Amino acid sequence: GAVVSQHPSWVICKSGTSVKIECRSLDFQATTMFWYRQFPKQSLMLMATSNEGSKATYEQGVEKDKFLINHASLTLSTLTVTSAHPEDSSFYICSARVPPGDTIYFGEGSWLTVV
Amino acid sequence: QKEVEQNSGPLSVPEGAIASLNCTYSDRVSQSFFWYRQYSGKSPELIMSIYSNGDKEDGRFTAQLNKASQYVSLLIRDSQPSDSATYLCAVTPTGNQFYFGTGTSLTVIP
Repeated sequence: GAVVSQHPSWVICKSGTSVKIECRSLDFQATTMFWYRQFPKQSLMLMATSNEGSKATYEQGVEKDKFLINHASLTLSTLTVTSAHPEDSSFYICSARVPPGDTIYFGEGSWLTVV
Repeated sequence: QKEVEQNSGPLSVPEGAIASLNCTYSDRVSQSFFWYRQYSGKSPELIMSIYSNGDKEDGRFTAQLNKASQYVSLLIRDSQPSDSATYLCAVTPTGNQFYFGTGTSLTVIP
């Protein structure tokens, strides 16, 4: 299957700082990427849909000014958690749609701990 | 009503048995259906996709789709302890919107 790479896998940051997570499609061009958050033992929660060259579409209840998403190229989307707080600690996962079909593949995920 | 519904389980089966996972969806225009497996602490990985009514087999896995009844299922034959995971059903009508179920937790008992 297609390869989606996420970096970093683990990150610890201090409360009030910002942290950036990268999502790359390694062997295909991804016009659409998705960002999810998952708390322990809970289901995936879609945060936003990211389309290359345009603004991300955020799900209801997700603060767009806090979770900045940039999809500047066909192989890279980034999620920046700004002014992170302990309640933002979670597992963040990206996925990418592989054209021309509609199968999506997930990155490895990034564990964020805010202390 | 949720877009995609799954029984959260947990579902327990003995090693070697058939595990049956079910999923129903609400959007009749849905065209593509997927099953993902997620191990604890890891991201989901694609197991199978199915697009037309009927069965699709891949090794020990069989996906079944019934669009008239709006359900999709996954059968795992000869279940192994390594199959213990959460199984996510995903449905998309357009390719730009994907709806995931909450997942069914499967435990295969040695």
